[in-house]
Amino acid sequence: DTGVSQDPRHKITKRGQNVTFRCDPISEHNRLYWYRQTLGQGPEFLTYFQNEAQLEKSRLLSDRFSAERPKGSFSTLEIQRTEQGDSAMYLCASSPTGRGGTDTQYFGPGTRLTVL
Amino acid sequence: AQTVTQSQPEMSVQEAETVTLSCTYDTSENNYYLFWYKQPPSRQMILVIRQEAYKQQNATENRFSVNFQKAAKSFSLKISDSQLGDTAMYFCALRPGGSEKLVFGKGTKLTVNP
Repeated sequence: DTGVSQDPRHKITKRGQNVTFRCDPISEHNRLYWYRQTLGQGPEFLTYFQNEAQLEKSRLLSDRFSAERPKGSFSTLEIQRTEQGDSAMYLCASSPTGRGGTDTQYFGPGTRLTVL
Repeated sequence: AQTVTQSQPEMSVQEAETVTLSCTYDTSENNYYLFWYKQPPSRQMILVIRQEAYKQQNATENRFSVNFQKAAKSFSLKISDSQLGDTAMYFCALRPGGSEKLVFGKGTKLTVNP
């Protein structure tokens, strides 16, 4: 069990550029989640996949954001035409399929995005 | 709408003492789950303890225990015999039944002093 990994750990970009983040979940975890955490706040849910299907999306996920999980393993989160308000820590989590809501979500270290 | 409120932005405790972190929540769901997560400085978030709302018994996990008051919608975390390694941000989270998302509070920064 190597844990959830995210790449890159830090990204600095200029306003208007596109950025893409990658998340590798714990192997055999078929659920994958993206959250965004801004300074001084708790994480906010963005979206959730079960295998390759994107089953839930937050209203926070504007048209500039897109997430994929093409083969049900790793996932990518792309932000197009970045804005300064997109500066945040982007967290990925995964969980196994189990019974009910007590499935623990295991978090990765996050990707810190700074938009200049 | 689901909300989680942590009213203590910062707390401190002496090593070996006991500290209680507060959390209140609001949901219209009858079935839901509650969690406390710990986020050490510059490290990833890990689960501390979890509670199913339908269970009367308060969850415990070694030095960590919760006081779950369903009618009051309160879910506090008690840390006994505090250790320096407990220094971290602590987040309370709610997972409504039928949804996979976690709704987090703003967190409480806990410092354990030697």
